[in-house]
Amino acid sequence: AQSVAQPEDQVNVAEGNPLTVKCTYSVSGNPYLFWYVQYPNRGLQFLLKYITGDNLVKGSYGFEAEFNKSQTSFHLKKPSALVSDSALYFCAVRDLIPSNTGKLIFGQGTTLQVKP
Amino acid sequence: EAGVTQFPSHSVIEKGQTVTLRCDPISGHDNLYWYRRVMGKEIKFLLHFVKESKQDESGMPNNRFLAERTGGTYSTLKVQPAELEDSGVYFCASSQSGAWGNTGELFFGEGSRLTVL
Repeated sequence: AQSVAQPEDQVNVAEGNPLTVKCTYSVSGNPYLFWYVQYPNRGLQFLLKYITGDNLVKGSYGFEAEFNKSQTSFHLKKPSALVSDSALYFCAVRDLIPSNTGKLIFGQGTTLQVKP
Repeated sequence: EAGVTQFPSHSVIEKGQTVTLRCDPISGHDNLYWYRRVMGKEIKFLLHFVKESKQDESGMPNNRFLAERTGGTYSTLKVQPAELEDSGVYFCASSQSGAWGNTGELFFGEGSRLTVL
């Protein structure tokens, strides 16, 4: 079965420091990977996706993610964190079984806390 | 362009009552999904419509949940009768069908928080 794991419930980082939010996946075949963010009292917002091509994907708000096939990872990164980046982050993979219906499988979510 | 809208934003009901959640997808999006997040856990898929047809309802917990999408526009999700474990945030999402078939991202609403007492 396809799955996504976010091993950290919470990540704390100081403003201005680089941040990484981890995600690993398990799929049959080539993965379609996504990151979403949920700010307090808001819906999920799309950040970026990997379908094919360059392993380093750039997205909204200065975020990027690196697809690593050998490690089955898709970690979210940002070179310099902002207090406003504090939110709940979800990694997701497109469910390709039994067919490509567009359904997403989500990880548990990681709370990012950026301290001033 | 209007995004995905959901109503109500928060509903508090007693066990045994009925609640109906509504989702209006982005205009022109054929795909409509319902998801649920129970406190602190992952967001779980409930079902998927393509226009008015149920494409996949494998995530529906039981027959107390009924989803409809009459006319292929807005969708409703009814819980009847509600139980305590139904509490959570119900998200609706929509997407277009892309040239490669569903490789695009999903656009989510702000969610409907359901509290069953």
